[in-house]
Amino acid sequence: QSALTQPPSASGSPGQSVTISCTGTNSDVSGYDYVSWYQHHPGKAPKLMIYEVNKRPSGVPDRFSGSKSGNTASLTVSGLQAEDEADYYCSSYAGSNNWVFGGGTKLTVL
Amino acid sequence: EVQLVESGGGLVQPGGSLRLSCAASGLTFRRRWMHWVRQAPGKGLVWVSRITADVYTTSYADSVKGRFTISRDNAKNTVFLQMNSLRVEDTAVYYCATDWNYGFDYWGQGALVTVSS
Repeated sequence: QSALTQPPSASGSPGQSVTISCTGTNSDVSGYDYVSWYQHHPGKAPKLMIYEVNKRPSGVPDRFSGSKSGNTASLTVSGLQAEDEADYYCSSYAGSNNWVFGGGTKLTVL
Repeated sequence: EVQLVESGGGLVQPGGSLRLSCAASGLTFRRRWMHWVRQAPGKGLVWVSRITADVYTTSYADSVKGRFTISRDNAKNTVFLQMNSLRVEDTAVYYCATDWNYGFDYWGQGALVTVSS
């Protein structure tokens, strides 16, 4: 149950796009289409932004999109806004009734 | 509005026990798998445990297997996490969350568990 690999930080100016990667293995990210992404403002409850690789829950802006290629999943935030500044975590089902998260990426809006 | 409210956190000595509760409202609790996820100070999210909706099948991260037990009471819309043989490294904010297609759609605000002598 090794953590998925995310860059520790990412940044972009308002209006720009930024992509956060999430690298796993054949046992998790590429083995299942159950990758999800979470936005976490410190002190608050995490929020589901993307599930099943590229599906958005109701209420999540379409500026947020997800994709996957091989062992790497990605979250793209387009048209960056100040309120997008937060920690972002990926997660994947890892088989045998286990789940794994990434280490988190701190997104800074410059 | 869906609400998940954790309780039962606190300070405990190494080797001690604690029981967390998570009360759910605003959803059909008996149909939802439930998870516990934790976040140690300054660290990332880590999945801890899951319980299914009907036959109550459970699973655990290796780091807590044999020490933690997840359970639920569908009549009270509540999920529990019994934590025994606690270690300093179990210190974290513990979140309960509902399962949505193998992701986690609703989260509580978290309960702080501090293991220290």
